[in-house]
This record gives sequence, structure tokens and C-alpha cells, in this order.
Amino acid sequence: RKEVEQDPGPFNVPEGATVAFNCTYSNSASQSFFWYRQDCRKEPKLLMSVYSSGNEDGRFTAQLNRASQYISLLIRDSKLSDSATYLCVVRNAGNMLTFGGGTRLMVKP
Amino acid sequence: GAGVSQSPSNKVTEKGKDVELRCDPISGHTALYWYRQSLGQGLEFLIYFQGNSAPDKSGLPSDRFSAERTGGSVSTLTIQRTQQEDSAVYLCASGPSLLYEQYFGPGTRLTVT
Repeated sequence: RKEVEQDPGPFNVPEGATVAFNCTYSNSASQSFFWYRQDCRKEPKLLMSVYSSGNEDGRFTAQLNRASQYISLLIRDSKLSDSATYLCVVRNAGNMLTFGGGTRLMVKP
Repeated sequence: GAGVSQSPSNKVTEKGKDVELRCDPISGHTALYWYRQSLGQGLEFLIYFQGNSAPDKSGLPSDRFSAERTGGSVSTLTIQRTQQEDSAVYLCASGPSLLYEQYFGPGTRLTVT
């Protein structure tokens, strides 16, 4: 089992739709969680950190479920510019960051 | 302010040659990471540096790979006797410390012919 797993997609959604991605992690001692976005042939960019109580940044909401060992990202009112690959990142107790394989989102007009 | 920079942006080399890739982290960031990403694949951790501590080299795929960080700032990743399977984008990232998020540079696209 991979340490961090994501559905690779692609998720094809129309503009304005709400879409959610999940990411599961295997190490129960994992301490920090992040979502990054990566555009085609570009470097990953931090989208948001994920806090235990859940957090929201505009149209984006991140949640952490420690009991079930997953994090989620919800995007409301999808824009064409949201089309990208979304990477789930987990830091374990040894400070190693592990990246998931990414979930590809395609928002269509 | 200035982000993470990497050079060269593209490197084509012949199999068996050595290459050096450079990373300039964000000023003041003590943590520096190297990853590589093959086409259509996820990020593969290679090595990280945190301040003056010994680097974590656990991700280096073979002894042909090495990295150093001089003066706690600039880092170079060296690949000796390059092989075709080394072809990938090599990404550098820096962060305020190991506990916080990372900021990536644009990467160096290495092609071994």
C-alpha cells in the first residue's frame, strides 16, 4: 500500500460545479498535511495547509479526518482556471514529506 | 520577494557524463529539498537539508547521486555517469523549516541521450 494515495482521475466537471477529492495516508503518526496544485509542466504550488479543525480559503475547503486517515479538498463554483493536478502532501514524524500521485481536475465550459 | 530559482532550466547531456544542477532557495529558508519528477509521474523525494544538520539522503536512488549545500544557502545536486533513466525534471524546494510548507523552484529538465 502506498503511503499517500489519491484517485488519479481525471475528474471532468462543468464550470460552476462543486468537486471534492480525498487522499488517504497510511502512517497514523503523520503530523502535517497540505494540498498543492500543479499545472502542466510547471512546479507544484502550495494551495493550502490542512488544519485539524478544517479550514477554508475562498472557494476551497480542506478537512482532516485523523480517525479514518484521510484529508479532503472541496472546490466550490469551479472555474476553468482550477484545471490542474492537485497533490496531497503528508509529513510524518521524521519530517519526511510524502507526495501523493495527484488527482487531475479538468473544468469544462 | 524572490522565489526559489534553479539553473539550468534545461540540460541535455550524453549518457555517462556528469551533471550539476543548482538551486538558490528563498533567502532565510533553512530547509531545502530536492525531488525529481518523471513525465506523468508523482514527485520522488531525493534529499533534504535542514540548517546545519546532516542531510537526510534516504531518497537518493544510487551512489551516483550526491548533493551539498554551501553556507546554508545554495545547493547543488550532482549526478555522476548519467543514465537514460535519470531523465526527469529535478525540482528544488525551500521552506522556513521542516515543519512548514515548501516553495518550489521551476525545476531543471534533464534529458540524457
